[in-house]
Amino acid sequence: SQQGEEDPQALSIQEGENATMNCSYKTSINNLQWYRQNSGRGLVHLILIRSNEREKHSGRLRVTLDTSKKSSSLLITASRAADTASYFCATVLFSGSARQLTFGSGTQLTVLP
Amino acid sequence: NAGVTQTPKFRVLKTGQSMTLLCAQDMNHEYMYWYRQDPGMGLRLIHYSVGEGTTAKGEVPDGYNVSRLKKQNFLLGLESAAPSQTSVYFCASSYPPAGPDYGYTFGSGTRLTVV
Repeated sequence: SQQGEEDPQALSIQEGENATMNCSYKTSINNLQWYRQNSGRGLVHLILIRSNEREKHSGRLRVTLDTSKKSSSLLITASRAADTASYFCATVLFSGSARQLTFGSGTQLTVLP
Repeated sequence: NAGVTQTPKFRVLKTGQSMTLLCAQDMNHEYMYWYRQDPGMGLRLIHYSVGEGTTAKGEVPDGYNVSRLKKQNFLLGLESAAPSQTSVYFCASSYPPAGPDYGYTFGSGTRLTVV
């Protein structure tokens, strides 16, 4: 079963605007990660936020985490056409020696020039 | 370039045929994973390995087998392919099992069609 659920499923914005994607999850986590997938390609790791962190920045990316609400958001500022891709959140829960990523179904972002 | 390499990139199989997907990483990562991605869905974990000689089942292991004879390679086998196994398969690796958390490194995928 999928742990994370992204919202919205699809988002279309103009270049220069900000894009916000949300992720909700069901169980406790050790960290939450966001990945980007360009059409026909593999996933690329964007940013990781630990369960004891509330906000993290990386370039034009800002991630927030609210463990009480079991939710996270990814903000991409000043979007570019090259940001067009699918974005996935993934949660990690350590269990013994196991360390697995569980993915949501993704948000398809289209940035119009 | 360092990374995760998957072969083949594309394959068409007939129902009942067998094949092996190869994943190789040159980053000395301990953990390796096989995922499948179906339209409109996120990735689902098939099998994973926490080190050479070890394997474990993920969320959707039925119909697949894996082996990790060498640390850098993780093989995914389909003994008798079924149309339900039509999917895009991704291999990933991560380092290390303890200490600071790292993101996963993914291969570019294998698109498999079973007819």
